[in-house]
Amino acid sequence: ILNVEQSPQSLHVQEGDSTNFTCSFPSSNFYALHWYRWETAKSPEALFVMTLNGDEKKKGRISATLNTKEGYSYLYIKGSQPEDSATYLCAFTNSGNTPLVFGKGTRLSVIA
Amino acid sequence: NAGVTQTPKFRILKIGQSMTLQCTQDMNHNYMYWYRQDPGMGLKLIYYSVGAGITDKGEVPNGYNVSRSTTEDFPLRLELAAPSQTSVYFCALRGTGNTIYFGEGSWLTVV
Repeated sequence: ILNVEQSPQSLHVQEGDSTNFTCSFPSSNFYALHWYRWETAKSPEALFVMTLNGDEKKKGRISATLNTKEGYSYLYIKGSQPEDSATYLCAFTNSGNTPLVFGKGTRLSVIA
Repeated sequence: NAGVTQTPKFRILKIGQSMTLQCTQDMNHNYMYWYRQDPGMGLKLIYYSVGAGITDKGEVPNGYNVSRSTTEDFPLRLELAAPSQTSVYFCALRGTGNTIYFGEGSWLTVV
């Protein structure tokens, strides 16, 4: 079973702070790395799908980087807002036919 | 939620009862999944299907069964409900660009 680790497990930041968290995955046989945003009592929503080493993707104040050689991805949130409070999940797959393996998530709380 | 509909949203079952969680999609995609989410444990894959007539076990299949007679429907069946199956269940499909689209979730409590 593939192992996907996310850190930290949770964090609290003040409104306006920038923050980042990490997803670690196996560095061999990489196919894709996904990031999802999951608000309480809702379903996870896709943020990014990353497939190439060195990929950088951005959506508004949220961006992500990918290093497939060393097996990690960073998610950055610039100028955190209370509405950014959610659990951020990363998921990894090593082939186009294999289901995603999800990490346990990083729970972000932004305090106004 | 991009055409993935799952029902019911909430259900309380007694130990030993059976039930089916329904999942329907209108996007004509082949890959569908059932996940369960337990506190602090992230999403665990129960079963998945790569197309009509084909299903495969995921990480935690015990106590569940699935079928995929059509592209649209991927029901999840619990035959003998146990307290360990108290969880939130998500049906999902793989869409364009390999993005996963989730249903709204089904909260199941077994008492």
